[in-house]
Amino acid sequence: NAGVTQTPKFQVLKTGQSMTLQCAQDMNHNSMYWYRQDPGMGLRLIYYSASEGTTDKGEVPNGYNVSRLNKREFSLRLESAAPSQTSVYFCASSERGAYGNQPQHFGDGTRLSIL
Amino acid sequence: QKEVEQNSGPLSVPEGAIASLNCTYSDRGSQSFFWYRQYSGKSPELIMFIYSNGDKEDGRFTAQLNKASQYVSLLIRDSQPSDSATYLCAVTTGGFKTIFGAGTRLFVKA
Repeated sequence: NAGVTQTPKFQVLKTGQSMTLQCAQDMNHNSMYWYRQDPGMGLRLIYYSASEGTTDKGEVPNGYNVSRLNKREFSLRLESAAPSQTSVYFCASSERGAYGNQPQHFGDGTRLSIL
Repeated sequence: QKEVEQNSGPLSVPEGAIASLNCTYSDRGSQSFFWYRQYSGKSPELIMFIYSNGDKEDGRFTAQLNKASQYVSLLIRDSQPSDSATYLCAVTTGGFKTIFGAGTRLFVKA
């Protein structure tokens, strides 16, 4: 049972390079999320997708784009990487219930360093 | 004012004691409240969730929600060294947006 799978697990980029972080879930969840986690700042929402075909900005969307490819997959793209985007990136998925979001299931994270 | 606030800690308790973790939130319309545990270098994992005022118990864990005072807490009874981790409070503010606190580091001394 894979749950939420993120690739790659580690990546080093040079400033100005682009890359796409991949995320796939096998739990048939409607909602998917991308977060970044920096020391002492908890998780900050970058973008989310409430359902297939929709995406919305979170707290810190600048410098990122997303694609909800299908119900399973939600990718995050850095068009021109900057050192400030050095962080650990987590993808998560959840269902939506009567009281709002159900608990989120997280992938193992991608550790991204930008030099 | 941060939307979800937690004391960063570290909170240090002896083995077998009760650990009490607190979280306050600013949006009165918040509907769902979660506690996640995160070990160093790992991803967050769900401990408890609560939607209604009052207490919810699951094994050694109890979540408490007071919407009037806008706080949610997590009690860990019979704390074990394996409970040493960072505990993240998360609040869903109506839509699909979930806001996380910065986390409280808990250290359980053997």
